[in-house]
Amino acid sequence: EPEVTQTPSHQVTQMGQEVILRCVPISNHLYFYWYRQILGQKVEFLVSFYNNEISEKSEIFDDQFSVERPDGSNFTLKIRSTKLEDSAMYFCASSEAGQGYGYTFGSGTRLTVV
Amino acid sequence: AQSVTQPDIHITVSEGASLELRCNYSYGATPYLFWYVQSPGQGLQLLLKYFSGDTLVQGIKGFEAEFKRSQSSFNLRKPSVHWSDAAEYFCAVGAPSTDKLIFGTGTRLQVFP
Repeated sequence: EPEVTQTPSHQVTQMGQEVILRCVPISNHLYFYWYRQILGQKVEFLVSFYNNEISEKSEIFDDQFSVERPDGSNFTLKIRSTKLEDSAMYFCASSEAGQGYGYTFGSGTRLTVV
Repeated sequence: AQSVTQPDIHITVSEGASLELRCNYSYGATPYLFWYVQSPGQGLQLLLKYFSGDTLVQGIKGFEAEFKRSQSSFNLRKPSVHWSDAAEYFCAVGAPSTDKLIFGTGTRLQVFP
């Protein structure tokens, strides 16, 4: 069964450093998403991406965050200057035809900011 | 704005017993409704979804859910739970007007042999 692949599975970074979280969505999917889950809290929407541009973003997704689809297969989330409160599990998801059809989520990247 | 409530934080059942996980949503029109399951260290797996039509939806792993508009609910059920069903279950709501899902806080299911 096709799956969404995320790397790395766990990343530890110093506060203030830049991190890039990588995702390979399912190949025929057109919609891409990032969500995060702070430990013990609910899964929160960060951003959706379609047709090479952001289609929607949450208030969490401020200027420190950016997304990119650099080569037609990868989908990345960059955090420019990490804060302690960015520590969370970050999930990438993709969908063939939008959120109404349901997503396929990756296994997540656990980001720890120290 | 949409919202989702999962009233039960933690549920414990015996293997073979029936299961019902509750989900209530808030949205002005008919939303898109989903149930996801998350096993430890894993991502979120889609169990089932509802857009329109038949209000009883069948999903994977023997799960089903029923959309009840009058109660703003979308409860997940399984007639006989297996030990492998132990996981965290998330209800989520979406809408045609937005590109995001709103998740509930989750219900942790524990299964005793």
